Amino acid sequence: NAGVTQTPKFQVLKTGQSMTLQCAQDMNHNSMYWYRQDPGMGLRLIYYSASEGTTDKGEVPNGYNVSRLNKREFSLRLESAAPSQTSVYFCASSEGQGGTYEQYFGPGTRLTVT
Amino acid sequence: AQSVTQLGSHVSVSEGALVLLRCNYSSSVPPYLFWYVQYPNQGLQLLLKYTTGATLVKGINGFEAEFKKSETSFHLTKPSAHMSDAAEYFCAVSVPTGRRALTFGSGTRLQVQP
Repeated sequence: NAGVTQTPKFQVLKTGQSMTLQCAQDMNHNSMYWYRQDPGMGLRLIYYSASEGTTDKGEVPNGYNVSRLNKREFSLRLESAAPSQTSVYFCASSEGQGGTYEQYFGPGTRLTVT
Repeated sequence: AQSVTQLGSHVSVSEGALVLLRCNYSSSVPPYLFWYVQYPNQGLQLLLKYTTGATLVKGINGFEAEFKKSETSFHLTKPSAHMSDAAEYFCAVSVPTGRRALTFGSGTRLQVQP
């Protein structure tokens, strides 16, 4: 099992450009999450999806959109990148309702917006 | 809403010495608590978790943590530090309702001196 995979690993964007970060899990988990990690701030929740077909905003959703394409895949889109979105982005998954509570994380995408 | 405070953004110990990383939480309902470790340029790996039951939980790599409700704490310890323990450690809290997303502390970077 690959667990949680993310692409790309690194990306540099210019202000105003758009891009989509991809995430997939092969653990048959129901819930998936997107976090961003900034120095000294831990990880903050951007969006989450409790199950296929549902998404909801987290703590810092502004400037982002998500799509839960199917049970395996959960993508994060930046429509018009801004320097404030320079960060490391992590996707995570968990069993969800009725299951165990721990989350499994992907390796991250390092995004720089110039 | 939940919150986590990790005391000390940097902790330095000698190899073989006790490791103590502090975590205090705030939650209006009984929490689930987690410690994650992050090695450089990698994703987060679960060290241990507390959900219910025994308040002293053991994790991987010789780490353990004790849930103390009266002190709202979940400190991470290891009796003898190893060079390979050098990493960043995150305490996180979740509750068994709603989104079940993790709320993270700001992290503690552990340095192990030879």
